[in-house]
Amino acid sequence: DTAVSQTPKYLVTQMGNDKSIKCEQNLGHDTMYWYKQDSKKFLKIMFSYNNKELIINETVPNRFSPKSPDKAHLNLHINSLELGDSAVYFCASSQGKKRGGLNEQFFGPGTRLTVL
Amino acid sequence: GQQLNQSPQSMFIQEGEDVSMNCTSSSIFNTWLWYKQDPGEGPVLLIALYKAGELTSNGRLTAQFGITRKDSFLNISASIPSDVGIYFCAGRPGNTGKLIFGQGTTLQVKP
Repeated sequence: DTAVSQTPKYLVTQMGNDKSIKCEQNLGHDTMYWYKQDSKKFLKIMFSYNNKELIINETVPNRFSPKSPDKAHLNLHINSLELGDSAVYFCASSQGKKRGGLNEQFFGPGTRLTVL
Repeated sequence: GQQLNQSPQSMFIQEGEDVSMNCTSSSIFNTWLWYKQDPGEGPVLLIALYKAGELTSNGRLTAQFGITRKDSFLNISASIPSDVGIYFCAGRPGNTGKLIFGQGTTLQVKP
């Protein structure tokens, strides 16, 4: 009965490869997010989708493309991986339509991506 | 862009001691949040603050939304070993779900 789940937990790959990370939430939320946490533990938002619509798109290289097939899923595809993409990627979700909902984001366990 | 300055960066304390950490911003936030991250896990929400001056408790944790809306603090009383982790403040500057996180405070508790 995991609330926000991500796969895979660990991803090790070579520079130049294309990879995807999947996220699913069973909380019935309508907003999902991708965050990147670097080696210094700094958390920065990358994207957010509300009901399959992109609503936040930070300054992220266009090698990163989020896709939301439905409001319970938000995947992250990364093309032409670079060394600097190594980080932990967190998916999160929230309910956006009531007070506090936009704020109370529930995070997944993270995907540790290592690019060699 | 907007940034949050969180301090201290790390703390090493004795079990039973009280802990205090804070976050400041150069601009106003509408909401302040405090999260805790355990090793290998995602951040977990501890306390959410919605109004300037608001003081909210969650067990041994107490947090306040600063009157100027540019700062917040988190206190942990009578620390225990399971309080170990990284504590993040986060602020919401507008009306979207975008959160800006502080750099984190790493807390270590010596039994």
